[in-house]
Amino acid sequence: QQQVKQSPQSLIVQKGGISIINCAYENTAFDYFPWYQQFPGKGPALLIAIRPDVSEKKEGRFTISFNKSAKQFSLHIMDSQPGDSATYFCAAPPHGQNFVFGPGTRLSVLP
Amino acid sequence: NAGVTQTPKFRVLKTGQSMTLLCAQDMNHEYMYWYRQDPGMGLRLIHYSVGEGTTAKGEVPDGYNVSRLKKQNFLLGLESAAPSQTSVYFCASSYEGNGYTFGSGTRLTVV
Repeated sequence: QQQVKQSPQSLIVQKGGISIINCAYENTAFDYFPWYQQFPGKGPALLIAIRPDVSEKKEGRFTISFNKSAKQFSLHIMDSQPGDSATYFCAAPPHGQNFVFGPGTRLSVLP
Repeated sequence: NAGVTQTPKFRVLKTGQSMTLLCAQDMNHEYMYWYRQDPGMGLRLIHYSVGEGTTAKGEVPDGYNVSRLKKQNFLLGLESAAPSQTSVYFCASSYEGNGYTFGSGTRLTVV
């Protein structure tokens, strides 16, 4: 089973700070790299995604940075807010099929 | 627009009992998935379907069966529940296998 490694496992950030979560994959045949956000008691929801033809994508306070040579992509949350407190999952599809999800990062933003 | 609807939301089973989890989507998506989520292990794919009448095994299929008789519905069955199947189950659907829309989950406890 292809692995998707995610770090850190948990993250505590002060309000207004920058949250950074990293994801590393093994297979190079991916063409779509998403991040999902999950609040307690809810299902994951697609937050932002990037295709490897660009190195960065920004949507509001959320940015994905993609490093193809290092097989890594990261999520940056600027001006982090308490409402961003959730678990974040990256995902990647080995061999272009179903997604394998990372183990998740629990983010806590302190007021 | 309901998206992905899962029923039931909670269930307690005795070891050896059987049950069926229902997933319904109203987005005309071809792809549907069943995941289980356990603490520290992220989301693991149980079974998936790429279209009406088709099903395939995912990462952890043992002890589960699925059916996709109608495009909008994907059923997950447990024939003889075991305590190891205590988990939160999520159904998801997607248009072309990219961005997933998840349901709100079914919390299953097997005693």
